Amino acid sequence: AQSVSQHNHHVILSEAASLELGCNYSYGGTVNLFWYVQYPGQHLQLLLKYFSGDPLVKGIKGFEAEFIKSKFSFNLRKPSVQWSDTAEYFCAVKGSSASKIIFGSGTRLSIRP
Amino acid sequence: DAGVTQSPTHLIKTRGQHVTLRCSPISGHKSVSWYQQVLGQGPQFIFQYYEKEERGRGNFPDRFSARQFPNYSSELNVNALLLGDSALYLCASSLKSGGYYEQYFGPGTRLTVT
Repeated sequence: AQSVSQHNHHVILSEAASLELGCNYSYGGTVNLFWYVQYPGQHLQLLLKYFSGDPLVKGIKGFEAEFIKSKFSFNLRKPSVQWSDTAEYFCAVKGSSASKIIFGSGTRLSIRP
Repeated sequence: DAGVTQSPTHLIKTRGQHVTLRCSPISGHKSVSWYQQVLGQGPQFIFQYYEKEERGRGNFPDRFSARQFPNYSSELNVNALLLGDSALYLCASSLKSGGYYEQYFGPGTRLTVT
């Protein structure tokens, strides 16, 4: 079955700490991978995406993610988080020719000032 | 440029009633997708329309239907509402269907069924 697993439901960090959010997917065939972010009171927006090429993808606001095909993983990283990174983060997968995006259940990130 | 817009922002309905949600895509985008986001979960795909034709359907009952108009705006209709239909309904637009086309999400419509 096609699915996305985000194992961390709620992560609490102090400012300047490093961040890694886990994401594993189950999907046959070539995939496109995404991380979306939902800041409090705002709509879902794209943080970064992987379609092909370099498996290390850089996104907005200093975030990056690495696609490891052998592990079916697409973990999100940031070397030093800020209070403004407080948000809900969603990992998502889509077949390369498919229309629907399959989302994980999300990880709530709380940053202590 | 205006992003994806959705209306209404919030609404409250009673079990058994019908609801229509509306979405206007980004100018130039011809594909619209609908997602349901229940509290504490990620969005779940309901439908995708491209050039007024259904291009994908998620695992939702026939009570859910949608359509796309010549100006590429879209409506999501839900009949015989159940308590479990309470959720945030998201609309996303993209230039085309499938492939390498990024989807841009709107702010959503919060539906509460009592």
